[in-house]
Amino acid sequence: NAGVTQTPKFQVLKTGQSMTLQCAQDMNHNSMYWYRQDPGMGLRLIYYSASEGTTDKGEVPNGYNVSRLNKREFSLRLESAAPSQTSVYFCASGAGFLAKNIQYFGAGTRLSVL
Amino acid sequence: AQSVTQPDIHITVSEGASLELRCNYSYGATPYLFWYVQSPGQGLQLLLKYFSGDTLVQGIKGFEAEFKRSQSSFNLRKPSVHWSDAAEYFCAVGMTTDSWGKLQFGAGTQVVVTP
Repeated sequence: NAGVTQTPKFQVLKTGQSMTLQCAQDMNHNSMYWYRQDPGMGLRLIYYSASEGTTDKGEVPNGYNVSRLNKREFSLRLESAAPSQTSVYFCASGAGFLAKNIQYFGAGTRLSVL
Repeated sequence: AQSVTQPDIHITVSEGASLELRCNYSYGATPYLFWYVQSPGQGLQLLLKYFSGDTLVQGIKGFEAEFKRSQSSFNLRKPSVHWSDAAEYFCAVGMTTDSWGKLQFGAGTQVVVTP
């Protein structure tokens, strides 16, 4: 049972570098989400995708881009990393309102920007 | 504005003692309600959920939660805590009118279990 798989698990970047966080789900879910987790702030939604080819901004989208490559995969890109983007990033998937908003989470990517 | 509040940032509890974590929300109508648990270095795991009906819901790992409409609360309880319950707990709400299934999370409560 793979569920939601995120790669990499850890990453250290220098300010200004770019990288892509990968996420794949094998539960045939239409909806996918990217969150960031910061101490004392819970999880904040960065971007989400309701279906292949559609994406929309969440609460904190600045500095990020996303791609919904197909139904399984949803990637998050940092074009020019900043120290403020040091965080733990979680990908989630769900069947949306059809499943009453239940979401399933990956194990996270721990990113440090120096 | 819609919000989810977990008043306790940090709780320390002795093994075998009872645990209650508080969650309050501010929404126009009763939302979908969830509790997730995050063990150190892990992702989030769904503990339990409330959609409608019986206001006391049972979850995994011996947890239960009670929905109180009059208090806009969804508090999580466990009668006897085990050392393995040390984790961070998140309350989350979803709007029933949201077609995209988005969730809003509280800030989390860190639970420490002492021997």
